[in-house]
Amino acid sequence: SQKIEQNSEALNIQEGKTATLTCNYTNYSPAYLQWYRQDPGRGPVFLLLIRENEKEKRKERLKVTFDTTLKQSLFHITASQPADSATYLCALVGGSYIPTFGRGTSLIVHP
Amino acid sequence: ETGVTQTPRHLVMGMTNKKSLKCEQHLGHNAMYWYKQSAKKPLELMFVYNFKEQTENNSVPSRFSPECPNSSHLFLHLHTLQPEDSALYLCASRSTSGRDTGELFFGEGSRLTVL
Repeated sequence: SQKIEQNSEALNIQEGKTATLTCNYTNYSPAYLQWYRQDPGRGPVFLLLIRENEKEKRKERLKVTFDTTLKQSLFHITASQPADSATYLCALVGGSYIPTFGRGTSLIVHP
Repeated sequence: ETGVTQTPRHLVMGMTNKKSLKCEQHLGHNAMYWYKQSAKKPLELMFVYNFKEQTENNSVPSRFSPECPNSSHLFLHLHTLQPEDSALYLCASRSTSGRDTGELFFGEGSRLTVL
């Protein structure tokens, strides 16, 4: 069955450092991979996506990589700030355009 | 108003009650979704509607009954729920026209507690 794995342990980093979150998947060939941010008690907010034929995508301080051979995406936040503290969800999208979500990784940026 | 609006934000109900969750989107999208989010679990897809027609029912128990009267409104009718149904229920919408990338726009969710 399809499986999406995100690190269940919270990632604690110091302000100003680069945060790197991992999304691994099995038994899936996604057309797109999306990343969302979710704050406590709120709905997820779309951040960016990367297509299966793209290796890297950037948006301001965010960078996503996608390795379809390793079946892995890395999500980087450079110059992290306490305001970046949230849960980050990885989602895979196939031909049906219905995202399947991982359980998310909590990021805590300490001042 | 803009975006996706869900009401109520919080709901407490007994197992014998009947209640409804409402979702409204002002984005001109034509697909709407219900997801369930329980603690420590990934978002679980419940239902998908496209142009008011249900296109996905992810083996959801019949005590959850969706209704989509038009492309802007989505309801989730609740009846005879169980305590394990307590969760955050998220509504989302998506545009299927143009360059569809599957991007979802979520509401803030309805936090349901079943006693």
